[in-house]
Amino acid sequence: EPEVTQTPSHQVTQMGQEVILRCVPISNHLYFYWYRQILGQKVEFLVSFYNNEISEKSEIFDDQFSVERPDGSNFTLKIRSTKLEDSAMYFCASSVQENTEAFFGQGTRLTVV
Amino acid sequence: QQQVKQSPQSLIVQKGGIPIINCAYENTAFDYFPWYQQFPGKGPALLIAIRPDVSEKKEGRFTISFNKSAKQFSLHIMDSQPGDSATYFCAASIGNTDKLIFGTGTRLQVFP
Repeated sequence: EPEVTQTPSHQVTQMGQEVILRCVPISNHLYFYWYRQILGQKVEFLVSFYNNEISEKSEIFDDQFSVERPDGSNFTLKIRSTKLEDSAMYFCASSVQENTEAFFGQGTRLTVV
Repeated sequence: QQQVKQSPQSLIVQKGGIPIINCAYENTAFDYFPWYQQFPGKGPALLIAIRPDVSEKKEGRFTISFNKSAKQFSLHIMDSQPGDSATYFCAASIGNTDKLIFGTGTRLQVFP
């Protein structure tokens, strides 16, 4: 069964450092998303990406965040200068089209120290 | 208006019971309502979804009931099993956007 894969599963970084979280969406999917979940809280939308550009972003997705699809298979989330409050689970998701089933990866646990 | 309110926060049932999780929304533009199941340390997994043109959808032991006039929808789990113990999130999205708005989650525990 096709799945969304994310690497690494856990990343520890020092405050102020840059991190890149990687995702391989399901191959025939066209819409890509990043969500985050602070421990014990709900899942929050960060950004959606379609046709090589951001289609929507939340208030959380400020100038410190960027996304990229560097090749035909990977989808990355970069945080330029991490803050303590960026510590969370980051989930990548993909869907065939908008407003349809989104499939989530296993997540990357980011810990900023 | 973009919120989805979910209750209860936690739920404990015995095996075979029928837990019911409720969600309510304000924005009538929402037109897609999925439910996700999440086990600890894992990503949310789509369970079942409904659109407002139907009032009920059933897949296996999982049923969504949808009340458009009340702007509420609920998840029923028939013959619940200990393996159903997880956190359940309702969500909603609007047709001209592609982000999911999640509820706050319900932690379900099913005891043998």
